[in-house]
Amino acid sequence: EAQVTQNPRYLITVTGKKLTVTCSQNMNHEYMSWYRQDPGLGLRQIYYSMNVEVTDKGDVPEGYKVSRKEKRNFPLILESPSPNQTSLYFCASSLGGYNEKLFFGSGTQLSVL
Amino acid sequence: SQQGEEDPQALSIQEGENATMNCSYKTSINNLQWYRQNSGRGLVHLILIRSNEREKHSGRLRVTLDTSKKSSSLLITASRAADTASYFCATDPQETSGSRLTFGEGTQLTVNP
Repeated sequence: EAQVTQNPRYLITVTGKKLTVTCSQNMNHEYMSWYRQDPGLGLRQIYYSMNVEVTDKGDVPEGYKVSRKEKRNFPLILESPSPNQTSLYFCASSLGGYNEKLFFGSGTQLSVL
Repeated sequence: SQQGEEDPQALSIQEGENATMNCSYKTSINNLQWYRQNSGRGLVHLILIRSNEREKHSGRLRVTLDTSKKSSSLLITASRAADTASYFCATDPQETSGSRLTFGEGTQLTVNP
């Protein structure tokens, strides 16, 4: 089944403890992206990647890192999480680019205490 | 502020009725997409309409685009309880740098059985 898989689904952590949210797609998509969703603010893009080893900042990249060593994986890294990073996170991918149909993962609800 | 803004913020109808949601945006776009999100889950792509198109259909969905008014509408005909979800428009602005869609904050649709 074609899908974008995110893990974990829920995560509670404490300020400053490094964490990684994994994202994997099995559709051989070129483009991958991370979004965060907050009430009243909609979805905002954190980072995106047009291809392997090519990543770029979105609208709200501060406090996040990403890597794209393989085409299928695009992990989101929070080196030192803070409470303002408590949010619902989504990974998405598309075949050719951001302006095509995006496939979303099921989301990761992160709480930073 | 968000490029795309949905209206109304919330809509409650009875099963079998039609539901219309609107999206307004500020700058010229290349295309506009509509997505659906069940509570806390990943977004699912519904329709993409390009700037040179005026109307598209997909099953019970009808999307219109009026570039002169910078607006789009999503019509769901003969609604069902399973259509209960949040609906988002996402625009691909012509003038943005970087590769990103801009999402609105969504319309929460409730279809009562």
